[in-house]
Amino acid sequence: GENVEQHPSTLSVQEGDSAVIKCTYSDSASNYFPWYKQELGKRPQLIIDIRSNVGEKKDQRIAVTLNKTAKHFSLHITETQPEDSAVYFCAASKRSNYQLIWGAGTKLIIKP
Amino acid sequence: DAGVIQSPRHEVTEMGQEVTLRCKPISGHDYLFWYRQTMMRGLELLIYFNNNVPIDDSGMPEDRFSAKMPNASFSTLKIQPSEPRDSAVYFCASLGGYNEQFFGPGTRLTVL
Repeated sequence: GENVEQHPSTLSVQEGDSAVIKCTYSDSASNYFPWYKQELGKRPQLIIDIRSNVGEKKDQRIAVTLNKTAKHFSLHITETQPEDSAVYFCAASKRSNYQLIWGAGTKLIIKP
Repeated sequence: DAGVIQSPRHEVTEMGQEVTLRCKPISGHDYLFWYRQTMMRGLELLIYFNNNVPIDDSGMPEDRFSAKMPNASFSTLKIQPSEPRDSAVYFCASLGGYNEQFFGPGTRLTVL
């Protein structure tokens, strides 16, 4: 069935450094790829998304890249700050429905 | 808009009891999703509705789980009888014209 794999499961970086989280998807019909951030005890919230007709999208310190041929997409966070500490989820869906297939999540730890 | 509303926020019950979780989606959103989140299994889609009609309930773990959406502004997830392994955070999310799923604050369920 459809599957999204996410790596690493835990990522620890020094404050100010960059962080990269990677996901691969199995269904070539997928065309929408969001990233959600979940702080401890809170709900998941969308931070950035990308559609299959775009290769890269940026929003201040965060960016997402998509390689349709390889079926993988990545989240890049630059100049990391303590408030970036959270669990990040990638997901994928296709035009035929709005059901998201979720990655397992990455716990990002920002070391002071 | 108040966002997605869930009640109760916390529920503690004893094994064998019936549990009912409630969700009010964002007005105008025609998709509603029920998720379960645990440390072991991550974020799992249980069931989702489109225009109050269940579209995919393949994620519902057992017959003990049931969900209804009697109208566009209300949905319930019922567990009867509850078991300790049902302990988790249950999220409801709604989606409108764009792909973004808006999550409610979640219900933390503890079954003793």
